[in-house]
Amino acid sequence: KAGVTQTPRYLIKTRGQQVTLSCSPISGHRSVSWYQQTPGQGLQFLFEYFSETQRNKGNFPGRFSGRQFSNSRSEMNVSTLELGDSALYLCASSRGAEGGELFFGEGSRLTVL
Amino acid sequence: LAKTTQPISMDSYEGQEVNITCSHNNIATNDYITWYQQFPSQGPRFIIQGYKTKVTNEVASLFIPADRKSSTLSLPRVSLSDTAVYYCLVAQLDSNYQLIWGAGTKLIIKP
Repeated sequence: KAGVTQTPRYLIKTRGQQVTLSCSPISGHRSVSWYQQTPGQGLQFLFEYFSETQRNKGNFPGRFSGRQFSNSRSEMNVSTLELGDSALYLCASSRGAEGGELFFGEGSRLTVL
Repeated sequence: LAKTTQPISMDSYEGQEVNITCSHNNIATNDYITWYQQFPSQGPRFIIQGYKTKVTNEVASLFIPADRKSSTLSLPRVSLSDTAVYYCLVAQLDSNYQLIWGAGTKLIIKP
C-alpha cells in the first residue's frame, strides 16, 4: 500500500513569509502527528490530530498551526517565518489507537533565508 | 507524563551485539514502548514494539523488566549499515494518546 506522502519535499522561503505543508497518511490511518527536526537534533513534537481533532500539542509558538481534513489528510502552517524555522518537518500516520506503529513520510525540508 | 531518557551516543564494532537502554519513569499500565531507527534525511522507521517482558523480531529484541521503568533494544551482530539514530517512544494511551519521544541515541558502528 502507498506510504505517507509529504509535499513539497523542498522549499525555500524568506523571513516573514508563511508556509503550508501537506501530509497524506496511509489509507485507513486516522492519526497524523507532526515533528520538527533541526540538524543534529531529535524529533520535536508539534501536534497530533485524530479524526480532525487536535489531541495533543507540543511546546511551539502559536505561529505553528495545523489541521486535519475528513479524509485524514493534514496540513501544517507556519506563519511569520523566522530563520530558526529552517528544519526538516516530518509527519507520521497511524491508526491512532492501541499504541500502534507510526509510519513516517520522507519529510519536507524548509529553508528560511 | 512519562519522561524518556536515553544515551546520546554509543560506539560498537561490526559483529557485536549492541544494547541501547531507555529509561521511562511514570510509565502507566497501558503504555506501549516502541523503538525507531532513523538515517540522515529520512523519516524514522519502526524497529520493534513491546508492552512487557521480551519481544523479538527478525531484526531486534526488546527487553522490558517487570517494573517497566526501562526498556532495552538489542541489536544482534551489528553491521556498518546499522549506524543510525535510535529513538525510544512511549505512547501513553490513557493520557489522550501522548507520544513521549526520547532524544535519540546516535549509534556508530566501526569496522
